[in-house]
Amino acid sequence: SAVISQKPSRDICQRGTSLTIQCQVDSQVTMMFWYRQQPGQSLTLIATANQGSEATYESGFVIDKFPISRPNLTFSTLTVSNMSPEDSSIYLCSVEDWGNEQFFGPGTRLTVL
Amino acid sequence: QQPVQSPQAVILREGEDAVINCSSSKALYSVHWYRQKHGEAPVFLMILLKGGEQKGHEKISASFNEKKQQSSLYLTASQLSYSGTYFCGTVTTQGGSEKLVFGKGTKLTVNP
Repeated sequence: SAVISQKPSRDICQRGTSLTIQCQVDSQVTMMFWYRQQPGQSLTLIATANQGSEATYESGFVIDKFPISRPNLTFSTLTVSNMSPEDSSIYLCSVEDWGNEQFFGPGTRLTVL
Repeated sequence: QQPVQSPQAVILREGEDAVINCSSSKALYSVHWYRQKHGEAPVFLMILLKGGEQKGHEKISASFNEKKQQSSLYLTASQLSYSGTYFCGTVTTQGGSEKLVFGKGTKLTVNP
């Protein structure tokens, strides 16, 4: 199984600012995913990031608000732009291995004041 | 479309059994099961593919009935370590691509 790290693990940000979350995988993977999980809730897919192509966003999420980069097969970033308190959540990246299993990073806990 | 999980929560004593159900209104390609402990990332348990196969992981097993578009997770002789929230994820195709959609979760508490 892939080992995934995320930075930062948590942050407290001011309204109107942006935060970039990094996701690093210890092996090359084709598909990486970004999820949001609000406290006590389920996981909601934000977008799918494939290397070499534009990220695919789910309904309710737009590139201007959540720009994603995928420069290579082991790394991706998600930026939460122009933050508001409603963006307070846990953001997780995940990767899919050859068996279609998804493995999650430890998550980034974001609080927006 | 989000799969429906039941029950929402269950409390067990160590050694008891439990069943968690996951159903979808859409045709399913596969069903994934994850367990998430408080403050941690979800951990993959198993994946079930079309064909009605049953899989196992320690004393946790699952079945997938594609005709009924549902899956069940069976926890046998539960241990304290089984406590957590269990999510099923269903794979459907949308716009030519597959995506994993998670249910709302079932919170399992195992007491001594």
